[in-house]
Amino acid sequence: EDQVTQSPEALRLQEGESSSLNCSYTVSGLRGLFWYRQDPGKGPEFLFTLYSAGEEKEKERLKATLTKKESFLHITAPKPEDSATYLCARRAGGYNKLIFGAGTRLAVHP
Amino acid sequence: ETGVTQTPRHLVMGMTNKKSLKCEQHLGHNAMYWYKQSAKKPLELMFVYSLEERVENNSVPSRFSPECPNSSHLFLHLHTLQPEDSALYLCASSQVDSNTGELFFGEGSRLTVL
Repeated sequence: EDQVTQSPEALRLQEGESSSLNCSYTVSGLRGLFWYRQDPGKGPEFLFTLYSAGEEKEKERLKATLTKKESFLHITAPKPEDSATYLCARRAGGYNKLIFGAGTRLAVHP
Repeated sequence: ETGVTQTPRHLVMGMTNKKSLKCEQHLGHNAMYWYKQSAKKPLELMFVYSLEERVENNSVPSRFSPECPNSSHLFLHLHTLQPEDSALYLCASSQVDSNTGELFFGEGSRLTVL
């Protein structure tokens, strides 16, 4: 079964302590890998789309990278406002149908 | 109003009740989605509508009945639910022919079934 697996399930960082979140997928012929951020009590908010191995996207302290088997979300010098659940998803057919991973809950402490 | 709006934000219902969740998008998109989010589980795609036609029914029990009367509105009618149906129900919209694959989500309706 095609899956999207995220690790770790939860991550606690000190402010300024850089780290990476992992997203692995088992499907061949990836048609898009997506990262979203979800704050408590809110819906997910789109961050990045990646299509090809070697592709990278950046936004402020976040950088997403893609290989043939996995994607990483690198967080450089995080701040408490970066605390959220980060979701990874892949496209699963037409109509922008997405299959999501369970997410990584990130907590950044001052 | 902008973006994707869901009402009600919170709903408590008994197993014999009938209720509906409403979603409205003001983005001019042509596809709308219902997702279910349970604690510590991935978002589960329930239904997809494109141009007001249902194009995906992801093996969802018949006690959930979607309705898309036009491209801006999406409903999820609920009846005879079970306690395990308690979850956050998220509506999303997108432009199907966009190559970014970006979905715009509402803030969700938190459903509790007693």
